[in-house]
Amino acid sequence: QSVLTQPPSVSAAPGQKVTISCSGSSSNIGNNYVSWYWQLPGTAPKLLIYDNDKRPSGIPDRFSGSKSGTSATLDITGLQTGDEADYYCATWDSSLSGSLFGGGTKLTVL
Amino acid sequence: EVQVLESGGGLVQPGGSLRLSCAASGFIFSNYAMAWIRQAPGKGLEWVLGITGGGGNTYYADSVRGRFTISRDNSKGTVYLQMNSLRAEDTAVYYCAKKYATSSGHGFDYWGQGTLVTVSS
Repeated sequence: QSVLTQPPSVSAAPGQKVTISCSGSSSNIGNNYVSWYWQLPGTAPKLLIYDNDKRPSGIPDRFSGSKSGTSATLDITGLQTGDEADYYCATWDSSLSGSLFGGGTKLTVL
Repeated sequence: EVQVLESGGGLVQPGGSLRLSCAASGFIFSNYAMAWIRQAPGKGLEWVLGITGGGGNTYYADSVRGRFTISRDNSKGTVYLQMNSLRAEDTAVYYCAKKYATSSGHGFDYWGQGTLVTVSS
């Protein structure tokens, strides 16, 4: 059971919008920055969002992140079949003095 | 071009030891924190250890504390993961990752391809 809680799966049709949530506590999300990653099977994760809402160069603006209180959200608009992947949130936990990853969310584009 | 390359994985018996290496290039290595993140077969990502750019501070997940050690040699651009007292549950792909910035904040922007560690008799 991960300290950061994500839904195991989400799905939506091509062109639609999907939201992936990441719930934590004051010791992690509530007082630290959040990052998001996507991972295709058999490959290394890739950074999508850092510092809650910033995109690395090359990441399209269809991907956006936000944080409110002890929860964070990744929004993906204009869904494409190529967006099918596993998505993970991550943050620092001040009590544990270490980083944490959420359990991951599998996105299916119907 | 930033490159991160892990090596040293393999099959080891329970209770055994293994050392992983992560060679990085294309950036000022000593300026950036590095981390080891693992993924058991069919499971999610688990952060296990981190080390600051100068090597003066290290951080461990409870699952590996006292058994695993992270270190770095900035003259060689390499991070190491010494794993002792290995257990079956340590079986995973181990990724080495670079923190995206020198300041506070969170994100790992470059990852290696991963190296598989299998703990089995």
